[in-house]
Amino acid sequence: AQTVTQSQPEMSVQEAETVTLSCTYDTSENNYYLFWYKQPPSRQMILVIRQEAYKQQNATENRFSVNFQKAAKSFSLKISDSQLGDTAMYFCAFMKPGSSNTGKLIFGQGTTLQVKP
Amino acid sequence: KAGVTQTPRYLIKTRGQQVTLSCSPISGHRSVSWYQQTPGQGLQFLFEYFSETQRNKGNFPGRFSGRQFSNSRSEMNVSTLELGDSALYLCASCPGQGSYEQYFGPGTRLTVT
Repeated sequence: AQTVTQSQPEMSVQEAETVTLSCTYDTSENNYYLFWYKQPPSRQMILVIRQEAYKQQNATENRFSVNFQKAAKSFSLKISDSQLGDTAMYFCAFMKPGSSNTGKLIFGQGTTLQVKP
Repeated sequence: KAGVTQTPRYLIKTRGQQVTLSCSPISGHRSVSWYQQTPGQGLQFLFEYFSETQRNKGNFPGRFSGRQFSNSRSEMNVSTLELGDSALYLCASCPGQGSYEQYFGPGTRLTVT
């Protein structure tokens, strides 16, 4: 069974600085998708970035980028120029495509990030 | 496009009662997934529906059920509520058919007393 591990329960960063959140996963599959979701105190889960396992190039969305290391099964999220609005819980999630896995995201336990002014 | 909507946003029920939660996906999205979020267990997958058919189910007891209508709206039902069912229930929609990005609603906070 696939598992997702986020080893940092809490992190903090000063506004405008850069922070990296870690995520590792365990799978024997070769084709899969990885996601980072953000859940602010309002509780609305927001998709931040996604990565297809077959793509070697790391995904980037504005201030958010990932470091995808497939062999190491690592998928970290880097937030540049941190803003107060980035304060939230961040979840790493894994999805394996296929008929027996449709619609099922497997989430890590989350990392609470606080951005300090 | 309007986002995923869930009703009600908050609900208080008594042990033994049943509850129905509703989810309206983003227009054009045919897949709806449901998740339970608790402080202890984190986010856990309940089930997924596509074109009115349940395609996948998580490891939850039979008290948890769902359905999807022809307009892709989905409901989930929990019967014989237990205190441990208190949680945030999240629904997510996805276009389906080769697209895997899920977009979440604001959730329904269920409290069982």
